Amino acid sequence: GQQLNQSPQSMFIQEGEDVSMNCTSSSIFNTWLWYKQDPGEGPVLLIALYKAGELTSNGRLTAQFGITRKDSFLNISASIPSDVGIYFCAGRLIQGAQKLVFGQGTRLTINP
Amino acid sequence: KAGVTQTPRYLIKTRGQQVTLSCSPISGHRSVSWYQQTPGQGLQFLFEYFSETQRNKGNFPGRFSGRQFSNSRSEMNVSTLELGDSALYLCASSRGQPNTGELFFGEGSRLTVL
Repeated sequence: GQQLNQSPQSMFIQEGEDVSMNCTSSSIFNTWLWYKQDPGEGPVLLIALYKAGELTSNGRLTAQFGITRKDSFLNISASIPSDVGIYFCAGRLIQGAQKLVFGQGTRLTINP
Repeated sequence: KAGVTQTPRYLIKTRGQQVTLSCSPISGHRSVSWYQQTPGQGLQFLFEYFSETQRNKGNFPGRFSGRQFSNSRSEMNVSTLELGDSALYLCASSRGQPNTGELFFGEGSRLTVL
């Protein structure tokens, strides 16, 4: 089936550092979304991207929809302790049933 | 606006039993999706319902089934439970049309199979 390759799997950073993670696939997507999951909670939508090349910000978060439609990245600037969690990318395929496919997640740990 | 509500939050079953999980979507949302989350496999799509009809289905065996009612509430059922069915089952709702992919998740039902 369709897969999203999300990297890195985990990150250990110092508070205040910038963070970058990305997702790639061999399939073409018409929507890219980024979610964050805190312990004991369901994922929460951070950013949604609908056009190739689109660059969207949400506070300290910035995400881009790759021009090839096969990738996306998420950047977090000046990380703070509440950024800790698991970040998931998700893509909606451009063909077929258009179900949402999720990456494996990036676990972010921040040392104060 | 109330969020997505899933019940029960936690449950323990034994192999061979069956389980029913419930999901109440956000008011006005007509689409409900179900995902299985495990540490090794991440978020795996189970099925999506829109206006009481199954719109999409993932690659799970027939032991996994679901339905949606006229008030958009949804249930999923797993029969003949196996140890590997232990997971967090997440329900997500969306407006459904247009299908933007923007999902609002509940807190999940954590199933442990002994």
